[in-house]
Amino acid sequence: AQKVTQAQTEISVVEKEDVTLDCVYETRDTTYYLFWYKQPPSGELVFLIRRNSFDEQNEISGRYSWNFQKSTSSFNFTITASQVVDSAVYFCALTIFGNEKLTFGTGTRLTIIP
Amino acid sequence: DTGVSQDPRHKITKRGQNVTFRCDPISEHNRLYWYRQTLGQGPEFLTYFQNEAQLEKSRLLSDRFSAERPKGSFSTLEIQHTEQGDSAMYLCASSLGDSSGANVLTFGAGSRLTVL
Repeated sequence: AQKVTQAQTEISVVEKEDVTLDCVYETRDTTYYLFWYKQPPSGELVFLIRRNSFDEQNEISGRYSWNFQKSTSSFNFTITASQVVDSAVYFCALTIFGNEKLTFGTGTRLTIIP
Repeated sequence: DTGVSQDPRHKITKRGQNVTFRCDPISEHNRLYWYRQTLGQGPEFLTYFQNEAQLEKSRLLSDRFSAERPKGSFSTLEIQHTEQGDSAMYLCASSLGDSSGANVLTFGAGSRLTVL
């Protein structure tokens, strides 16, 4: 069975600070996909990034960056120079190859204080 | 394209009543998914369709739950004899993809159910 742990339930930072959201996953499968989704107050989950298990390259997209480390089964997400619009609940999720079922973590509620 | 639409957005019902939720996916998407999200938790998988075929159902989907996707377009999720434990946000998502599991899902805004 797959499991995703997001130990940080809530984080608050002052605007312009950097913040890292942690994600640790468990799976016995060697081929899998990791995702991050953002859920703003409107409730609609928005896709941010997908990574497959064979691609450990870190990725940067604007103020967002992701650090995938198979050795520690982690897929952490960093927001640089945070903005109020980044306030949301962020979910890390996992699926294994050939399986359509996404296993989500419990989410991290991020609040950016102006 | 207006994205994934769900109706109604909110539903309040009394215990024992039946409720039905509708989801209209992105038109060209062949896959449609239902998830359930309770307060403070991540979404939990319920079921998914490829076109009109329901290919997987979670153990969470008891006999009181039934989902359909006639003609491979919109989908309905019906809950019979609702219980207070059914109170949750029901999320619909769709994707265009293969069976690799790598599909990126586009979610709707959800249908919030409150069972009194």
